Amino acid sequence: EIVLTQSPGTLSLSPGDRATLSCRASQSVRSNYLAWYQQKPGQAPRLLIYDASTRATGIPDRFSGSGSGTDFTLTISRLEPEDFAVYYCQQYGSLRTFGQGTKVEIE
Amino acid sequence: QVQLVESGGGVVQPGRSLSLSCAASGFTFSSYSMHWVRQAPGKGLEWVAVISYEGSNKYYAESLKGRFTISRDNSKNTLYLQVNTLRVDDTAVYYCARSEGHRSGPCDFWGQGTLVTVSS
Repeated sequence: EIVLTQSPGTLSLSPGDRATLSCRASQSVRSNYLAWYQQKPGQAPRLLIYDASTRATGIPDRFSGSGSGTDFTLTISRLEPEDFAVYYCQQYGSLRTFGQGTKVEIE
Repeated sequence: QVQLVESGGGVVQPGRSLSLSCAASGFTFSSYSMHWVRQAPGKGLEWVAVISYEGSNKYYAESLKGRFTISRDNSKNTLYLQVNTLRVDDTAVYYCARSEGHRSGPCDFWGQGTLVTVSS
């Protein structure tokens, strides 16, 4: 089973800041099948990025994904108030596993 | 519009069984793989199982094999999850989600979830 480790656990930032979230896999992710999801309290997760760097439909271009192999990054270029949430990475190259999440909170 | 509506949650005693359903609408259900993902209170997401679009292939999280059974009825546009011998740590919101049927893909649409509470 591929284990995904996200860092940091919590990111304290202000609106307008740049957010950089990391997801590291215990082994190489086949075909870079890596997705990022956003979850707000009481809501279902929402797909942001898939195939490591492709934005899902309707996702603003301030969200970008990068990386390959075992190291992946989600970047939010300028945080909007609605971006404060928990973010999860998920690999789907070998069954499915999620990272433990990174909470982006208002500083 | 795409809709996934889970049902069947509630309070259940440890050791009992439970069946969850997910009713799909607004898309061609039989063209999509379907997943169950759960989230314990205050915790992260845990992938549970996936079933292929035609129902012939089923895969489970290694740690959950044996007590969980995923199934689907494409004639009824419905996904199911049977959970046996429930434990307190099965308490969670259970989400159903879809992914592309003909390649390994992300979960691009999720239901709102159904809460299962295992307690005596």
